[in-house]
Amino acid sequence: GDKVKQSPSALSLQEGTNSALRCNFSIAATTVQWFLQNPRGSLINLFYLVPGTKENGRLKSAFDSKESYSTLHIRDAQLEDSGTYFCAARNTGNYKYVFGAGTRLKVIA
Amino acid sequence: GPKVLQIPSHQIIDMGQMVTLNCDPVSNHLYFYWYKQILGQQMEFLVNFYNGKVMEKSKLFKDQFSVERPDGSYFTLKIQPTALEDSAVYFCASMYRANERLFFGHGTKLSVL
Repeated sequence: GDKVKQSPSALSLQEGTNSALRCNFSIAATTVQWFLQNPRGSLINLFYLVPGTKENGRLKSAFDSKESYSTLHIRDAQLEDSGTYFCAARNTGNYKYVFGAGTRLKVIA
Repeated sequence: GPKVLQIPSHQIIDMGQMVTLNCDPVSNHLYFYWYKQILGQQMEFLVNFYNGKVMEKSKLFKDQFSVERPDGSYFTLKIQPTALEDSAVYFCASMYRANERLFFGHGTKLSVL
């Protein structure tokens, strides 16, 4: 089954509103990274997380290793936030990052 | 921010030919990765590489695939021979240490005809 499950799979947001994306892990994730793939296809690293939270501008992310999930909160969504958000997790003992299937976000005016 | 460069951005080849995808990782990075993405869908791990050796590879990393980084130059993915199902966007990534951020290149779109 899916080792990294992202929800929702797609989302449409009105400009200026807030939302939360989620990843659930069936692996013993020790570190998590969040990426935005923009409409041109480039992958932008948003966060690197060990258990805890981080904030950067309108984005905030949390990783709870005991409950095996991570969230990405988007505040005051802007048109340029549109794209596909991926989370990726790694567990102890290996170096590969397993990606979720992504959340396709469209911000509309 | 740190830049990973991939050359070329698009490659079109005939099935059965050999192809080499080139990646210029961030200069002081030590861990290198290849991922495969089909039609903007899931990023599938292929292989990672450290200290001149493959560390891990997935089932997608077929016998026809190989990676190397001779003398600290490009980190390359070679496919020989190519098959139709190899058509995808291949992303290279690098990171300095195992507990740091992973940075991706812009991808090479491979079209096998």
